[in-house]
Amino acid sequence: GENVEQHPSTLSVQEGDSAVIKCTYSDSASNYFPWYKQELGKRPQLIIDIRSNVGEKKDQRIAVTLNKTAKHFSLHITETQPEDSAVYFCAAPGGTSYGKLTFGQGTILTVHP
Amino acid sequence: DAGVIQSPRHEVTEMGQEVTLRCKPISGHDYLFWYRQTMMRGLELLIYFNNNVPIDDSGMPEDRFSAKMPNASFSTLKIQPSEPRDSAVYFCASSFSVNQPQHFGDGTRLSIL
Repeated sequence: GENVEQHPSTLSVQEGDSAVIKCTYSDSASNYFPWYKQELGKRPQLIIDIRSNVGEKKDQRIAVTLNKTAKHFSLHITETQPEDSAVYFCAAPGGTSYGKLTFGQGTILTVHP
Repeated sequence: DAGVIQSPRHEVTEMGQEVTLRCKPISGHDYLFWYRQTMMRGLELLIYFNNNVPIDDSGMPEDRFSAKMPNASFSTLKIQPSEPRDSAVYFCASSFSVNQPQHFGDGTRLSIL
């Protein structure tokens, strides 16, 4: 099945700095890559996603890049703010069961004021 | 739309008891997913349904776990008998189709004493 590796597991930045989280996947047929943000005690919420027909997508301070050849995709957060502090998960479909997502292990992002 | 609705939000029970978790997906969504989240194992897919039919239950830990989806607007996850190691947050999610965002419910925090 699909194997998704996410790095780093923890990331600490100063307010205003940029943060980058990277994920690799194993199934070359995967074509949809969402990112979720989970605040403490809350549910995961989709923040951005990208499909394999584009290499980059932006939404205000958040961007995602995709390299299908290398099978990795990254989340970029610019001008970080304390409210960006949360756990971020990447995910990819693929594997033998059509329709499901495999999630990365998560990155704990802490933004210091 | 009210989003994915889960109940109960919290459940505390003694080991050996039967536990039933409930989920109402977003209307019109054809896919329903049950996840378990723990610090040690992250976000694990237990089972998912397409049009009320179970597609992949390979993530179900053992025979003590069962899930049903009797109609398009309701699903249950049952644990019988429950054990302390089942303590976790259980999320239900739904999506419109494959390679579409999954929308998570608020989760059920389960504690087995």
